[in-house]
Amino acid sequence: SQKIEQNSEALNIQEGKTATLTCNYTNYSPAYLQWYRQDPGRGPVFLLLIRENEKEKRKERLKVTFDTTLKQSLFHITASQPADSATYLCALYNAGNMLTFGGGTRLMVKP
Amino acid sequence: DADVTQTPRNRITKTGKRIMLECSQTKGHDRMYWYRQDPGLGLRLIYYSFDVKDINKGEISDGYSVSRQAQAKFSLSLESAIPNQTALYFCATSDPTDVPKETQYFGPGTRLLVL
Repeated sequence: SQKIEQNSEALNIQEGKTATLTCNYTNYSPAYLQWYRQDPGRGPVFLLLIRENEKEKRKERLKVTFDTTLKQSLFHITASQPADSATYLCALYNAGNMLTFGGGTRLMVKP
Repeated sequence: DADVTQTPRNRITKTGKRIMLECSQTKGHDRMYWYRQDPGLGLRLIYYSFDVKDINKGEISDGYSVSRQAQAKFSLSLESAIPNQTALYFCATSDPTDVPKETQYFGPGTRLLVL
């Protein structure tokens, strides 16, 4: 069966360090993958999209990689700040199907 | 003003009651979605609509129904609420011509408690 896995345990890091979040998937051939940020009590907000033929995408302090051989995407936040604390969701779009979300990983950045 | 709004924001109801959650959008998008979110399970798709005359079941449609009254409005109904429908419900919109493709825009959510 199709599955998207994100670490359900919270990731705690110190301010200034790089946070790395993982999204693994099985039985998908995604056309592209998206990352969203969700703050408590709010809806998810789109951050980045990476296509199947792209290895890496950057936006300011954010970097996403996509390895279709490993079936994995990594989401990096460099020089992390307490304001980056949130839950981060990955979502896969398989052409012909719908966008499917992972369970999310909560990031806590401590000052 | 928010582009995607949901009412009510919080709702407590009793088992067996019928309730309706409403979603309105000013983004002009044809595509609208209803999701529920449970701790650790991520967002699961309940129903989606690609235009006013189009309604499709998602992953977990049992116990729910929807109505697309206009391009801007998409309502979710629980015909007879049960406790395991206690969850956070989100409405979202998208535009297939958007760049990046299929970015979804979410409302603020409705927190539903079924007693």
